[in-house]
Amino acid sequence: GAGVSQSPSNKVTEKGKDVELRCDPISGHTALYWYRQSLGQGLEFLIYFQGNSAPDKSGLPSDRFSAERTGGSVSTLTIQRTQQEDSAVYLCASSLERNSYNEQFFGPGTRLTVL
Amino acid sequence: QKEVEQNSGPLSVPEGAIASLNCTYSDRGSQSFFWYRQYSGKSPELIMSIYSNGDKEDGRFTAQLNKASQYVSLLIRDSQPSDSATYLCAVNSGAGSYQLTFGKGTKLSVIP
Repeated sequence: GAGVSQSPSNKVTEKGKDVELRCDPISGHTALYWYRQSLGQGLEFLIYFQGNSAPDKSGLPSDRFSAERTGGSVSTLTIQRTQQEDSAVYLCASSLERNSYNEQFFGPGTRLTVL
Repeated sequence: QKEVEQNSGPLSVPEGAIASLNCTYSDRGSQSFFWYRQYSGKSPELIMSIYSNGDKEDGRFTAQLNKASQYVSLLIRDSQPSDSATYLCAVNSGAGSYQLTFGKGTKLSVIP
């Protein structure tokens, strides 16, 4: 079956612009996660959704970052007034149910470059 | 601060040998443990999950968990050049937190 899909695959933007990153989870997966991976920082958690609600936003680095999920499916991560330190690969993952035993499957990522 | 530690490598092994990758974690209450493989320029791919003490085998891969020592490892038997990648250890502490905490990865190079 289809895996997690993300778009765009690459995004180049100028400092100060807003960007939207999209994630389409595996069909039937109720939990959705956003992570980012940057050189030297490893993979870090941003936010997690169960259905359309986000019980854990603890990883969002600043109030310039927000995310929403609609219809229990597609999620959008929005970064406002982008900064150069936002440059990273943004990864989305989904899992079948919300519990700590569930395996998370990653999409291909969106590589964001802020000039 | 929950931490997951891995030796960054690179770990070089000859083709056909056993590669041993290790990971320690700081949160004693952690409940589930995962190994992901990441090829350069690609996203992480789940290869093993383990939840209870002991060994879990899947093909050429064996995951080992020792909760008392807060240690998890991955063995790759009959290593192939296609196994050359970065291996990420990830830990889920449960207890209402569903995020994964990742180590920074061990780069494995299998020499033909």
